[in-house]
Amino acid sequence: GAVVSQHPSRVICKSGTSVKIECRSLDFQATTMFWYRQFPKKSLMLMATSNEGSKATYEQGVEKDKFLINHASLTLSTLTVTSAHPEDSSFYICSARSSGTTWVTDTQYFGPGTRLTVL
Amino acid sequence: GENVEQHPSTLSVQEGDSAVIKCTYSDSASNYFPWYKQELGKRPQLIIDIRSNVGEKKDQRIAVTLNKTAKHFSLHITETQPEDSAVYFCAGGTSYGKLTFGQGTILTVHP
Repeated sequence: GAVVSQHPSRVICKSGTSVKIECRSLDFQATTMFWYRQFPKKSLMLMATSNEGSKATYEQGVEKDKFLINHASLTLSTLTVTSAHPEDSSFYICSARSSGTTWVTDTQYFGPGTRLTVL
Repeated sequence: GENVEQHPSTLSVQEGDSAVIKCTYSDSASNYFPWYKQELGKRPQLIIDIRSNVGEKKDQRIAVTLNKTAKHFSLHITETQPEDSAVYFCAGGTSYGKLTFGQGTILTVHP
């Protein structure tokens, strides 16, 4: 149980294009998901908290218009990197907490991550 | 906001030895402290967590201690094995809230 998937696992795009990354909780419901960015050999930096049915909460310094987050259902959150530039190249990873009617936990379960390369 | 500091950044031990990683936090409101293990190219996996109502928790070879007064917590791995080699992250936050991660410790266990 507690499986989180991400799609795509890798994406290469040209500068100026937009890229959408999906985060899904496969076997549980998640009213809250989190999006992190991880640089090589570095820690996980929280970008935003994704709330089902409401606006995401962004961390200080994260541009909400550049990193669009949509949490349209209890099992899916998407992160769209708009007008991507080479400096946006990074490893993006999501996490989710189970908050359904049968199982609630404060543990964050992580997806496998998405490697974004902007040329 | 919360600030979590983690030390050491790298740790090298011989198989069978113990490994200790320490973290400090700044926000006295934090009450949830998980530890994650991340192998190269893989997702972080929760290995153990502790909440502020207990001072110690153990799961086989892994234990975590928490000192709320001093605002620090530690991960202890006994009888280390080569497969314990990975990056370990501590984190602090409020239960059901967001987490702030430490900088990570690269643990290498030599056979």
